[in-house]
Amino acid sequence: GAVVSQHPSRVICKSGTSVKIECRSLDFQATTMFWYRQFPKQSLMLMATSNEGSKATYEQGVEKDKFLINHASLTLSTLTVTSAHPEDSSFYICSARDGPGEKYFGPGTRLLVL
Amino acid sequence: DAKTTQPPSMDCAEGRAANLPCNHSTISGNEYVYWYRQIHSQGPQYIIHGLKNNETNEMASLIITEDRKSSTLILPHATLRDTAVYYCIVSLTNQGGKLIFGQGTELSVKP
Repeated sequence: GAVVSQHPSRVICKSGTSVKIECRSLDFQATTMFWYRQFPKQSLMLMATSNEGSKATYEQGVEKDKFLINHASLTLSTLTVTSAHPEDSSFYICSARDGPGEKYFGPGTRLLVL
Repeated sequence: DAKTTQPPSMDCAEGRAANLPCNHSTISGNEYVYWYRQIHSQGPQYIIHGLKNNETNEMASLIITEDRKSSTLILPHATLRDTAVYYCIVSLTNQGGKLIFGQGTELSVKP
């Protein structure tokens, strides 16, 4: 089946630095990718929809200048957490569509901001 | 907000069928019912989806009521590895539909 990868799987950074997370569709082209955030013992929260070649669409309450999304190719979307703070520590998960039908999720990236 | 309601937790004996209910009384005619599961600290895994008819694949069966206001995911022979949080989601497909996750059902399969 289709596979979505994320890199890195875990990252620790200092407060104030920026962190980039990559999401790749490995064996299919994804015109649309989605970014989610999940805090401990909570459900996934959709942050934004990433569209290849155009600007991302952010969900209400998500700061677009804080969470920069770039979807420069049909197999890669990146999420950059700018000026990260401890409250940004979370599990970040991406998903990608394989045409119409089900969406495939990446394994997630655990971010810890000290 | 999520458009589905699920019990927060369920237990199931290993080897028995696990029946996970989901209410989606406000579902619209062109929305599909999707089921995913998430094992601790992993990304969600697609299980099955359907529109009107019952569906079956190698993982599970999906039973959708005739009025489409509720559905049941059936794991026919639950194993310990099926312990996970199961999410029922309604979404538009073929249109880049977003998946809005609710709280899901935490299924514990016990020996």
